[in-house]
Amino acid sequence: DQQVKQNSPSLSVQEGRISILNCDYTNSMFDYFLWYKKYPAEGPTFLISISSIKDKNEDGRFTVFLNKSAKHLSLHIVPSQPGDSAVYFCAASEIYSGNTPLVFGKGTRLSVIA
Amino acid sequence: DSGVTQTPKHLITATGQRVTLRCSPRSGDLSVYWYQQSLDQGLQFLIQYYNGEERAKGNILERFSAQQFPDLHSELNLSSLELGDSALYFCASRADGINEKLFFGSGTQLSVL
Repeated sequence: DQQVKQNSPSLSVQEGRISILNCDYTNSMFDYFLWYKKYPAEGPTFLISISSIKDKNEDGRFTVFLNKSAKHLSLHIVPSQPGDSAVYFCAASEIYSGNTPLVFGKGTRLSVIA
Repeated sequence: DSGVTQTPKHLITATGQRVTLRCSPRSGDLSVYWYQQSLDQGLQFLIQYYNGEERAKGNILERFSAQQFPDLHSELNLSSLELGDSALYFCASRADGINEKLFFGSGTQLSVL
């Protein structure tokens, strides 16, 4: 039973356009959400996060939107750059449980075409 | 550089064998997590240790075990290896506190032939 779902295995976007990566979750106890980026032969690196008290969080070209009622979040990258080509993982956890593990989706491979 | 060190980077072994993967967390982090990334399976949580004690268990097979030592480094032991155990194994560490993010090592690529 997958608690965090990324239904698009891959996404291709032209340089300069917007990339939108989607993520759905089923566990209503999740209160904290993160996006990680992974390049080949490297470990995942933290990109941006959002807690359930917010519906939007922005960091430069990256914005995460959270729709709690729909149990859905999305990552927007504007403008997309070739260096953004990587696998993006959505992750979730329960805030109040302290050090509970993050639950990850299967990832979406983003290709930004120059 | 995340500050999390994993060794070895690559491991090739045969079915039925046993291997040990090693992880040194970021300085000061008491929590260590192990994740497995198989083809098309994303990052699957295996096990978590906090200051030497097992804190949470995920989809870890009985053939697999882990421990965290007094110096906080951790080892993941995989035994009676099968072809399906071939995967990338990541270690991550995390500081104490609410909403602290995970920092991942660069992983150990295990190939079972």
